[in-house]
Amino acid sequence: DVKVTQSSRYLVKRTGEKVFLECVQDMDHENMFWYRQDPGLGLRLIYFSYDVKMKEKGDIPEGYSVSREKKERFSLILESASTNQTSMYLCASTLTSSYEQYFGPGTRLTVT
Amino acid sequence: SQQGEEDPQALSIQEGENATMNCSYKTSINNLQWYRQNSGRGLVHLILIRSNEREKHSGRLRVTLDTSKKSSSLLITASRAADTASYFCATLYAGGTSYGKLTFGQGTILTVHP
Repeated sequence: DVKVTQSSRYLVKRTGEKVFLECVQDMDHENMFWYRQDPGLGLRLIYFSYDVKMKEKGDIPEGYSVSREKKERFSLILESASTNQTSMYLCASTLTSSYEQYFGPGTRLTVT
Repeated sequence: SQQGEEDPQALSIQEGENATMNCSYKTSINNLQWYRQNSGRGLVHLILIRSNEREKHSGRLRVTLDTSKKSSSLLITASRAADTASYFCATLYAGGTSYGKLTFGQGTILTVHP
C-alpha cells in the first residue's frame, strides 16, 4: 500500500514564526502536492513538484515556499506564519501515469 | 477559478437508501475522479472515469460522466452508516502538461443515519 505521512497531525505556532511541514511518500511517485483545506472553500493547491528540485506554483502560493531535495520528501514552509494561514494542510503524491492521488492524514495548523 | 461545483452541499439519508451527488466543471478534462474524506482525515481515492467513458462501476459506487454538459454524478447504493463522509470530485485538465494536477470541487457532506 502507498503510504503518505505528514510530520504532525496538530501544530500550534505563533504569528511570525517560521513553520516547516514535511511530507514523505514511500512509492517512488514523481509528483507531490500541497493543499490547504478551509470550510466552504474545498481544497486549494498551494504548490506542487514534478521532480526533485522542481516546483511550480499552484493557485494560492503567496506566503508559502516549498523544498524537494529528495524524491520521497516534499516540505512546505511558511516563512512568517500569519493567522490567516490557520488551516488544514494536506499533502498528496501521484505517479504521472496513473493520476490517482494518495493523501496524507493532514496537519491542522493553528497560528495564534 | 477552474474549481468545480458540487451539489448538494449536504445530504442526509437513512441507511439502505441510495445517495446521489453531482459535480459540474468548467474546462475540457482528461479524467474526473471522486474522493472520500472522513472527518478530519486525508482524502481517499474512490474511482476515476476517463473523458471517453460514460459510466463506471466499483462495488456499490456508480459514476456517470456527461462531457457535453460538463457534469458527473456519483451514486452510492444501499448506503451504510460507514459511508458518512465528505465526497469530492476532482478533474484533470485536458490541455498542456498537468503533472497530475487536479482541481477539486467544494464537496458534498453525506450523513447516513443508522
